[in-house]
Amino acid sequence: GENVEQHPSTLSVQEGDSAVIKCTYSDSASNYFPWYKQELGKRPQLIIDIRSNVGEKKDQRIAVTLNKTAKHFSLHITETQPEDSAVYFCAASIPGNQFYFGTGTSLTVIP
Amino acid sequence: DTAVSQTPKYLVTQMGNDKSIKCEQNLGHDTMYWYKQDSKKFLKIMFSYNNKELIINETVPNRFSPKSPDKAHLNLHINSLELGDSAVYFCASTLPGLRGGYTFGSGTRLTVV
Repeated sequence: GENVEQHPSTLSVQEGDSAVIKCTYSDSASNYFPWYKQELGKRPQLIIDIRSNVGEKKDQRIAVTLNKTAKHFSLHITETQPEDSAVYFCAASIPGNQFYFGTGTSLTVIP
Repeated sequence: DTAVSQTPKYLVTQMGNDKSIKCEQNLGHDTMYWYKQDSKKFLKIMFSYNNKELIINETVPNRFSPKSPDKAHLNLHINSLELGDSAVYFCASTLPGLRGGYTFGSGTRLTVV
């Protein structure tokens, strides 16, 4: 199966700074890469996703980039706000029926 | 109008007991999952059903038994609960081909004492 690694495991940034979370995957057949945000005590929620035929996707302050050759993808959050504090998970799927999750990044935005 | 609902939200029980967690989705999704999230936040897949058929059965103790009476429901029964079963259990569902990603339920926090 697929193996997804995620770094860093914890990240602290000052409010207004940018945050970057990186993931690598092992199976070149993976073609869909969602990112989930999990606030404390809540369910993981999809915040952005990218397919393998696209190199970058943006939605307001968040963006995801994908490098298929290097098999890595990243989440970028600009102008961070305290409400961005959460655990973020990357995931990858080979065409099939499940996502393979990274181990999570706990992001703290310091006011 | 909750999309994926789980009950109960909290479950505290003694070692050795048997308990069930229920999940229902009203999104019309064909595929449903059970995930276990431990204290380190790792999301570990346990089972998946597609239209009532078991399609993913990861290495979990056989004390855990899923059941899908129809494609909108997926339940999890756990026998002889152990301390190590304490975790948050999430149900999730998705469209064919994982289109749109997973929609997760609100989770069931299981504490075994």
